[in-house]
Amino acid sequence: DTGVSQDPRHKITKRGQNVTFRCDPISEHNRLYWYRQTLGQGPEFLTYFQNEAQLEKSRLLSDRFSAERPKGSFSTLEIQRTEQGDSAMYLCASSFGLAGVADTQYFGPGTRLTVL
Amino acid sequence: DQQVKQNSPSLSVQEGRISILNCDYTNSMFDYFLWYKKYPAEGPTFLISISSIKDKNEDGRFTVFLNKSAKHLSLHIVPSQPGDSAVYFCAARPTGNQFYFGTGTSLTVIP
Repeated sequence: DTGVSQDPRHKITKRGQNVTFRCDPISEHNRLYWYRQTLGQGPEFLTYFQNEAQLEKSRLLSDRFSAERPKGSFSTLEIQRTEQGDSAMYLCASSFGLAGVADTQYFGPGTRLTVL
Repeated sequence: DQQVKQNSPSLSVQEGRISILNCDYTNSMFDYFLWYKKYPAEGPTFLISISSIKDKNEDGRFTVFLNKSAKHLSLHIVPSQPGDSAVYFCAARPTGNQFYFGTGTSLTVIP
């Protein structure tokens, strides 16, 4: 297993279009996270799945954003009606977590989104 | 509201010397802390972690120190190598799963 993978690595779109990103976590990991990172900032938490259940969502995640993890394996993040402010690096991370035990997140290479 | 702060955006160190990267946090509920290293065009790579029940954790050339009373942690790299040049992020988590990241410190190790 080569780690967390994300597709595409780069996406350029026009304002108002919809985009979808995919994340494939490390195979035995039950937790999956999405983050957004803009220039000069650290990653900002967007949402988190445990298996197929979406357990936490940041208030950063507007109603134009939706994430799924239908079978508890890969996940998709969709942004509808993109805006120029959505331009950022979208990072996916996965971990193996047990209740009450701290888990370490492993990141993918990210998808860089540019909205024109 | 930035709950995790890295006040030094950049740091330069001579090869072979010690690099010290600092991180401050405001939330006393944070109980788990991590350091990540990031190269350009790649995702962050996990380096080392520490839980709030400890004040030091060591892994090879990397040591993380936690001062809970000061809400401060630091990463020491000894000896520093040119390959250590990257952006370093600290991250913290309260009980739960949402991690908060600092804004990063860009380390340059000069050969």
